[in-house]
Amino acid sequence: EVQLVQSGAEVKKPGESLKISCKGSGYSFSSYWIAWVRQVPGKGLEWMGMISPGDSDTRYSPSFQGQVTMSADRSIRTAYLQWISLKASDTAMYYCARLGLGSDHWGQGTLVTVSS
Amino acid sequence: EIVLTQSPGTLSLSPGERATLSCRASQSVGSSYLAWYQQKPGQAPRLLIYGASSRATGIPDRFSGSGSGTDFTLTISRLEPEDFAVYYCQQSVTSPGTFGQGTKVEIK
Repeated sequence: EVQLVQSGAEVKKPGESLKISCKGSGYSFSSYWIAWVRQVPGKGLEWMGMISPGDSDTRYSPSFQGQVTMSADRSIRTAYLQWISLKASDTAMYYCARLGLGSDHWGQGTLVTVSS
Repeated sequence: EIVLTQSPGTLSLSPGERATLSCRASQSVGSSYLAWYQQKPGQAPRLLIYGASSRATGIPDRFSGSGSGTDFTLTISRLEPEDFAVYYCQQSVTSPGTFGQGTKVEIK
């Protein structure tokens, strides 16, 4: 069974750093791109970018370029999304998704709350 | 960046009725790179349709997708109680893979 399991909810202060994770199982992790999607509470889905765990090729949406860093460690089948300096506007649910035929499997989401 | 515009914003229907959701792209996305997702409150999105018209694994046949180029449609032939949710279209022909703003299907 294909599964993506994300790390737990985080509460951070503005200016702090954060790295959240997405661990894949049940398939060849290196063979499928992983996308990251943001959802601000009560709002729609936003495509942040994607990473190929096989070679760490990364594509960012212009809206998120320079704001976050995507990485992956194929040896432990885990993709990461990282912030150096969080802002209140980063408060959102973050999903990872496997890119098969469409985004065919999704993680359960990681809620990030940034508040002073 | 390709912009996807979904209409209507909200669709108020009764169980058993037919739902027709529209997704229009600002430029052609062909037919292979358009997907539809369903999202219920507190849940991650679920893939319904990929390649504009192919149902994902386990999706009931009351869900169907059509279209190509810039105009796409998701049809739910007979609404079941569990179908009331928000639906998003998404293109992946170019990066970034943009989403539409969503259509909420609510109980009338």
